[in-house]
Amino acid sequence: AQSVTQLDSQVPVFEEAPVELRCNYSSSVSVYLFWYVQYPNQGLQLLLKYLSGSTLVKGINGFEAEFNKSQTSFHLRKPSVHISDTAEYFCAVSENRDDKIIFGKGTRLHILP
Amino acid sequence: DAGVTQSPTHLIKTRGQQVTLRCSPKSGHDTVSWYQQALGQGPQFIFQYYEEEERQRGNFPDRFSGHQFPNYSSELNVNALLLGDSALYLCASSLDAGPYEQYFGPGTRLTVT
Repeated sequence: AQSVTQLDSQVPVFEEAPVELRCNYSSSVSVYLFWYVQYPNQGLQLLLKYLSGSTLVKGINGFEAEFNKSQTSFHLRKPSVHISDTAEYFCAVSENRDDKIIFGKGTRLHILP
Repeated sequence: DAGVTQSPTHLIKTRGQQVTLRCSPKSGHDTVSWYQQALGQGPQFIFQYYEEEERQRGNFPDRFSGHQFPNYSSELNVNALLLGDSALYLCASSLDAGPYEQYFGPGTRLTVT
């Protein structure tokens, strides 16, 4: 069965510093991987997705993620965060196009001034 | 281009009552998925509708039911409400034959007292 583990429930980081949000998944087959962001009192917005091809995926707002099949990881990174990046970030996995998306429990990114 | 819309934004119900939540997909989308997001948790898949039929279902009891209309909009019905049904209910739409990406609405916050 698919599952997603987000290793940190909260990540504090100073403004303009780099950040990495960690995500590991388990699946017996090839997967599609996603990172979503949820701003306070809002729905989810897709940051980036990995379907196939290059393992380095670039998304919106300067975020990128790297798919590592051997380590079953899909960590999210940003070289320099801004106060506007304060939000909850969710890693998610799906096993095929029509399948449900399984979400992790989320990582709260807290930007320190 | 309107994105995914959901109504109502908030509602409060009493245990044992029934509730109906509504979702209009993004223009051009034909598939609607529903998720439940409890406080502090990631979204959990409830079910997915395509061509007016339930195509997939998550691990939710039969008290949760849905419907998709010919215009692709959808309803989520929950009967015999329990306190544990209090959550943010998210609707996501996608195009079955398009690039694999689900667009989420802002959600409906349901409080059961």
